[in-house]
Amino acid sequence: EPEVTQTPSHQVTQMGQEVILRCVPISNHLYFYWYRQILGQKVEFLVSFYNNEISEKSEIFDDQFSVERPDGSNFTLKIRSTKLEDSAMYFCASSEAPSYGYTFGSGTRLTVV
Amino acid sequence: DQQVKQNSPSLSVQEGRISILNCDYTNSMFDYFLWYKKYPAEGPTFLISISSIKDKNEDGRFTVFLNKSAKHLSLHIVPSQPGDSAVYFCAASETGANSKLTFGKGITLSVRP
Repeated sequence: EPEVTQTPSHQVTQMGQEVILRCVPISNHLYFYWYRQILGQKVEFLVSFYNNEISEKSEIFDDQFSVERPDGSNFTLKIRSTKLEDSAMYFCASSEAPSYGYTFGSGTRLTVV
Repeated sequence: DQQVKQNSPSLSVQEGRISILNCDYTNSMFDYFLWYKKYPAEGPTFLISISSIKDKNEDGRFTVFLNKSAKHLSLHIVPSQPGDSAVYFCAASETGANSKLTFGKGITLSVRP
């Protein structure tokens, strides 16, 4: 069964450093998303991406965050200057169309120290 | 701003019995509802969904009921199996090309052998 692949599975970074979280969505999917889950809290929407541009973003997704689809297969989330409160599981998801339901990746655990 | 609420953090059920997981929402613009299941160290997995034009959707052991007037939905698992032990998230969206999902906090289901 097709799956969404996320790398790395765990990333530890120092506060203030830049991190790039990588995702390979399912190949025929057109809609891409990043969500995050802070430990013990709910899964939160960050951003949706369609047709090579951001279609919606949450208030969490401030200027420190950016997304890119650099080569037609990868979908990346960049955090420019990490803060302690950015520590969370980051999930990438993709969908043929939102009403079909998303397929989530296994997540990247980001730990900012 | 809890638009999707799962008020019970946990549920414990005997194997073979019915599990009923509840979810309430406040945003009347939501018209599509989904349940996701999540194991530790994995991403959420789509389980079942329901459109607001229906009041019931069934898939094998899983049935989702929607009561629009009460803004309430529930997931029934019959019969419950130990492998069903996981965190279950209710999610909702407004129909649209790039609909984001709004998640509840999740319910931890434990099915006792």
